[in-house]
Amino acid sequence: GDSVTQMEGPVTLSEEAFLTINCTYTATGYPSLFWYVQYPGEGLQLLLKATKADDKGSNKGFEATYRKETTSFHLEKGSVQVSDSAVYFCALMGGNTGKLIFGQGTTLQVKP
Amino acid sequence: NAGVTQTPKFRILKIGQSMTLQCTQDMNHNYMYWYRQDPGMGLKLIYYSVGAGITDKGEVPNGYNVSRSTTEDFPLRLELAAPSQTSVYFCASSGSNSPLHFGNGTRLTVT
Repeated sequence: GDSVTQMEGPVTLSEEAFLTINCTYTATGYPSLFWYVQYPGEGLQLLLKATKADDKGSNKGFEATYRKETTSFHLEKGSVQVSDSAVYFCALMGGNTGKLIFGQGTTLQVKP
Repeated sequence: NAGVTQTPKFRILKIGQSMTLQCTQDMNHNYMYWYRQDPGMGLKLIYYSVGAGITDKGEVPNGYNVSRSTTEDFPLRLELAAPSQTSVYFCASSGSNSPLHFGNGTRLTVT
């Protein structure tokens, strides 16, 4: 079945460092891909999405490119801030049911 | 501008007790979902619904039941609580081909 694999955390960075969180997927057909963010004590919020190959999703300085040839959707940010500390989830949606399949989440800690 | 509302925020149950987690959305979304989140495990889909009167099992449905009598509401029922059901539960909704909107979660402890 469909699945999503993320790099394990926690990822600890200093402020203004470059961030990459790896995400790869397995799916039949052409799924849509998403990154969600969860701040402490809150629900998940959509960060960005891409719906077809070579699309680049971007929001709040974060970017991810849908790479069908490597089945990847890595999250990047050029300069992280302390306020970016959160748990980041990669997810895919395939088929007609609208079901979202999540990776296990990667905790990011940014230190001043 | 409520979005997805879950109640209660916290609950402690004894083994064998039952309870219903409430979820309501005001966005007229057809799709609704229940997920559980366990540390280091991401989110696992319990049940979902593609419209009023229609429900289906997700990855981890055992021990739970749902109903969808209206578009707005999607309650999750635990009949005989077990320690393995200690988790954080998230309800979500979406329209066709649109991202999911999540509630703020219900933290459940079964002792």
